[in-house]
Amino acid sequence: SQQGEEDPQALSIQEGENATMNCSYKTSINNLQWYRQNSGRGLVHLILIRSNEREKHSGRLRVTLDTSKKSSSLLITASRAADTASYFCASYGSSNTGKLIFGQGTTLQVKP
Amino acid sequence: KAGVTQTPRYLIKTRGQQVTLSCSPISGHRSVSWYQQTPGQGLQFLFEYFSETQRNKGNFPGRFSGRQFSNSRSEMNVSTLELGDSALYLCASSLQGAPNEQFFGPGTRLTVL
Repeated sequence: SQQGEEDPQALSIQEGENATMNCSYKTSINNLQWYRQNSGRGLVHLILIRSNEREKHSGRLRVTLDTSKKSSSLLITASRAADTASYFCASYGSSNTGKLIFGQGTTLQVKP
Repeated sequence: KAGVTQTPRYLIKTRGQQVTLSCSPISGHRSVSWYQQTPGQGLQFLFEYFSETQRNKGNFPGRFSGRQFSNSRSEMNVSTLELGDSALYLCASSLQGAPNEQFFGPGTRLTVL
C-alpha cells in the first residue's frame, strides 16, 4: 500500500523555472524524506524533514511540511536539465523499523 | 564513506530458476531494507534486517527470502522465478531504520524470461 500520493504525476518545465511537487500521506509520521531517481537507477536521498519542522532548505531545494494537512511539498528553484528525474516522498508511517512507504512519484522533465 | 553496493547490477533468468542478490551497506549501518520497483506497483517494501534478524516483512510470497550476516551484508533470494518478478530490486541501509535516513544502492535489474 502506498503511504503517500504525489501530485502532479508528471511535470514539464523549462530550464530556469521553479518546480513544485506535492505529497500527501495517510498516517502520522516522525519524519518525511524526499528522494530523486534518475531513469532506472537507485534512489538518491535529498532531504529529511522532521515532524516538528515546517520548512527545510538544502541548496536549491526547499521542503515544507504541514502535519495538520498531512502534506509536504518539494520546491526546486532555478531548475536545470540535470534535475530531470523522478521524485518520491517517503515516510516510515507508524513503523519504528526500516519500512519506508513511498508515494508513486512525480516525473520531472526540465527542457534546456 | 563508501556507499551502498549491490551485485550483480543486471541479471537475466528464466522462469523456475532461483536468484540471489547481494547488498553491502554503508559501514556502521545495521539496518538493511529491500524494495522491489516495478512500473505498475511502484516501490514496495520487501523486508528489513537489523542485526541479523528480520524485523519487518512486506506482503510478498514466501518465494522471497533474505538474510543478513554479522558484517551487516545482506542477501535476498527469490526461488521459482515468475515473469512478474522482473523488476529493479533496491537495497537501502540506515543506522537503525526509523527515524534515520535510508541510503540506497544502484539496484539490481532482474529480467525473467
